[in-house]
Amino acid sequence: AQSVTQLGSHVSVSEGALVLLRCNYSSSVPPYLFWYVQYPNQGLQLLLKYTTGATLVKGINGFEAEFKKSETSFHLTKPSAHMSDAAEYFCAVSLMIYNQGGKLIFGQGTELSVKP
Amino acid sequence: ETGVTQSPTHLIKTRGQQVTLRCSSQSGHNTVSWYQQALGQGPQFIFQYYREEENGRGNFPPRFSGLQFPNYSSELNVNALELDDSALYLCASSLNNLRGMNTEAFFGQGTRLTVV
Repeated sequence: AQSVTQLGSHVSVSEGALVLLRCNYSSSVPPYLFWYVQYPNQGLQLLLKYTTGATLVKGINGFEAEFKKSETSFHLTKPSAHMSDAAEYFCAVSLMIYNQGGKLIFGQGTELSVKP
Repeated sequence: ETGVTQSPTHLIKTRGQQVTLRCSSQSGHNTVSWYQQALGQGPQFIFQYYREEENGRGNFPPRFSGLQFPNYSSELNVNALELDDSALYLCASSLNNLRGMNTEAFFGQGTRLTVV
């Protein structure tokens, strides 16, 4: 069975500081991995995804994540936080195999606060 | 703007009632997935519809049912509402290609259901 664990339900950083949101996954087959962002009272927006190929993935708004198979991790980073980055972030895993495509399993989420 | 639209945006129902939520998928997408997001939690997969048939289901009771129409729009129906059904219901559309592989999912803004 697949699962996702996000370490830290709440992370607080100062504006301009490094953002690091942690995600570990469990999967019996090679996973597809995603990071989504959710602003208050809104749906989910895709930040970035890993399917195959390069393990360092760049996304929107300056975010990137690195797939580390040996550590079963897919941590999200951004070199310099901006006030507009304050939101809820979700890591998700998917099995892109026949008849299971598109089902996403989400972590519990990490709320990012950015202090001025 | 993802092009996935959900209606209504907010809804209040009484315990025991039935509710229907609607989702219009993004242009060119043929698959719709529904998720339940309880307050403070990550989204939980309810089910997916492809070619007007259910294509995978999460751990939800039969009183959660759905439909997909020829234009790929979808409905989520919940019978005998319980207080714990209060949540944000998210619809996501994707494209299932001929090999059964899904592209990334695009989410709507969600329907906030409150059961009193």
